[in-house]
Amino acid sequence: AQKVTQAQTEISVVEKEDVTLDCVYETRDTTYYLFWYKQPPSGELVFLIRRNSFDEQNEISGRYSWNFQKSTSSFNFTITASQVVDSAVYFCALRGPGGYNKLIFGAGTRLAVHP
Amino acid sequence: DAGVTQSPTHLIKTRGQQVTLRCSPKSGHDTVSWYQQALGQGPQFIFQYYEEEERQRGNFPDRFSGHQFPNYSSELNVNALLLGDSALYLCASHWGGLGETQYFGPGTRLLVL
Repeated sequence: AQKVTQAQTEISVVEKEDVTLDCVYETRDTTYYLFWYKQPPSGELVFLIRRNSFDEQNEISGRYSWNFQKSTSSFNFTITASQVVDSAVYFCALRGPGGYNKLIFGAGTRLAVHP
Repeated sequence: DAGVTQSPTHLIKTRGQQVTLRCSPKSGHDTVSWYQQALGQGPQFIFQYYEEEERQRGNFPDRFSGHQFPNYSSELNVNALLLGDSALYLCASHWGGLGETQYFGPGTRLLVL
């Protein structure tokens, strides 16, 4: 069975702090895809990143970085120098192989960045 | 380039009623998926439509049904509404290839009284 666990329910930081959101996944597939989405209060899920299981390179995009480690089945997300606009719920999601794109989401981590 | 759009944005219904939610996919996308997000939880997959057929279905009862039109837009219908159907309903679209990223609409907030 496939499963995504985001153990951190809520995180509160002060602006300019670095924060890491954890994501642990379970799957028996050798080919799979991992995603991070951001959900601001408006409700729309905003795509942040997609990572293939055969590409373990870490990625950096501005203040965002992602650390993918197959050995520990983790796909963690770090925000450097957090800003108030980063306040949102962040979801990690898993998708298996094949032509079907069902996403399995974690429960989400609510990030509050205070000025 | 228009993104995924959904209508209505908010809806209030009473138990036992029926509701229809609508979704227009992002330009160039041919596949639509529907998700239900209860308060404080992650989205749960309802079903996916491709080439006007239901391609995959999650663990939802038959009260949840859908349709995809030739222009790739989609409807989600829920019959015999229950209080527990109150949720944010999200539509996502992508091109039908492997590993494609799903892009989400703003959602429809349904409240069942």
